[in-house]
Amino acid sequence: DVKVTQSSRYLVKRTGEKVFLECVQDMDHENMFWYRQDPGLGLRLIYFSYDVKMKEKGDIPEGYSVSREKKERFSLILESASTNQTSMYLCASSDRPRHNEQFFGPGTRLTVL
Amino acid sequence: QKEVEQDPGPLSVPEGAIVSLNCTYSNSAFQYFMWYRQYSRKGPELLMYTYSSGNKEDGRFTAQVDKSSKYISLFIRDSQPSDSATYLCAMSADSRGVSNFGNEKLTFGTGTRLTIIP
Repeated sequence: DVKVTQSSRYLVKRTGEKVFLECVQDMDHENMFWYRQDPGLGLRLIYFSYDVKMKEKGDIPEGYSVSREKKERFSLILESASTNQTSMYLCASSDRPRHNEQFFGPGTRLTVL
Repeated sequence: QKEVEQDPGPLSVPEGAIVSLNCTYSNSAFQYFMWYRQYSRKGPELLMYTYSSGNKEDGRFTAQVDKSSKYISLFIRDSQPSDSATYLCAMSADSRGVSNFGNEKLTFGTGTRLTIIP
């Protein structure tokens, strides 16, 4: 089974703090994704990566950056957290030949006070 | 107008009923259609995956795609309380030959919350 793990299930941070969300997958997938999920808005893509050190902006990249130094690990960084970044953050991965079959982690519920 | 529209529900049906969940979309380039199931406080899990038009069946679940109407459906037969979850449709285009990476993106519906009443 594909396993996608995220570093924290729940996180509370203060406005202006730098926040790191970590994601690790164990199936040697090329593609990794970061989404946020908000009521009424569904899943929105923040960034994705199709290879080590490669990244592409998704639909809502503003206020976020990412890092992929190793194939299995994809980090989401909030440079200066704001209250409107309070959300559920979901990481996903997929294999290149079946790139549409994305496997998700359990999510991190981030609250910014 | 959103690219993918999905009724958020909530939808409550008695155990054993047939459930019909639907999404409409506007982008005619979409070729891949997925249904994800998301239990409370968990990440989405892939339930059904179809390419282009037609039906696909897997146990009690049937996915239908009607590209001419830009309409996809998920049917659940003999619904069980364990089917209570939020169901998300997702879709993507096939841009092979245009870009290696453009078709990596999925566009999701907002999800329909389903409750099966014992």
